[in-house]
Amino acid sequence: AQKVTQAQTEISVVEKEDVTLDCVYETRDTTYYLFWYKQPPSGELVFLIRRNSFDEQNEISGRYSWNFQKSTSSFNFTITASQVVDSAVYFCALSLNTDKLIFGTGTRLQVFP
Amino acid sequence: KAGVTQTPRYLIKTRGQQVTLSCSPISGHRSVSWYQQTPGQGLQFLFEYFSETQRNKGNFPGRFSGRQFSNSRSEMNVSTLELGDSALYLCASRRDTNTEAFFGQGTRLTVV
Repeated sequence: AQKVTQAQTEISVVEKEDVTLDCVYETRDTTYYLFWYKQPPSGELVFLIRRNSFDEQNEISGRYSWNFQKSTSSFNFTITASQVVDSAVYFCALSLNTDKLIFGTGTRLQVFP
Repeated sequence: KAGVTQTPRYLIKTRGQQVTLSCSPISGHRSVSWYQQTPGQGLQFLFEYFSETQRNKGNFPGRFSGRQFSNSRSEMNVSTLELGDSALYLCASRRDTNTEAFFGQGTRLTVV
């Protein structure tokens, strides 16, 4: 069975702190895709990153970075120097060569000024 | 480039009624998927359409149905509404399989 676990329900930090959101996935398939989405209070899921199972290179985009480790089935997301605008619920998701996304339960991030 | 558009944004219905939600994907995108988001169950996959064909269906009762038109616009229908159908319904569009999925702002359905 396929599953995505985001063990951190809620994280609170003060502005400018670094924060890492954890994501652990389960699948027996060798071809799969991992995603991160941000959901602000408005409700829309904002796409952040897509990674396929054959590309383990870490990625950095501005203050955002992602660490993909197949050995531990993890795809963690780090925000450097967090800002109040980063406050949202963040979802990690998995898909297996279909368009069905299997989501984790999400991590609510609160950044205080 | 316009994003994914869902209408209406908010809806209040009575138990037993039926409802139709609409989703217009990004221009050029052929795949449309629907998700239900509730506090208890989180984000759950409903179904996915590609070029007017349903390719995948989640574990929901037959009261939930959908379709896709030749212009890629999609509708989902829920018949005989129950209180538990109250949720945020999100639509996602993709250019093709396994590409990035872009979501609309959702339709918040309240069943009273």
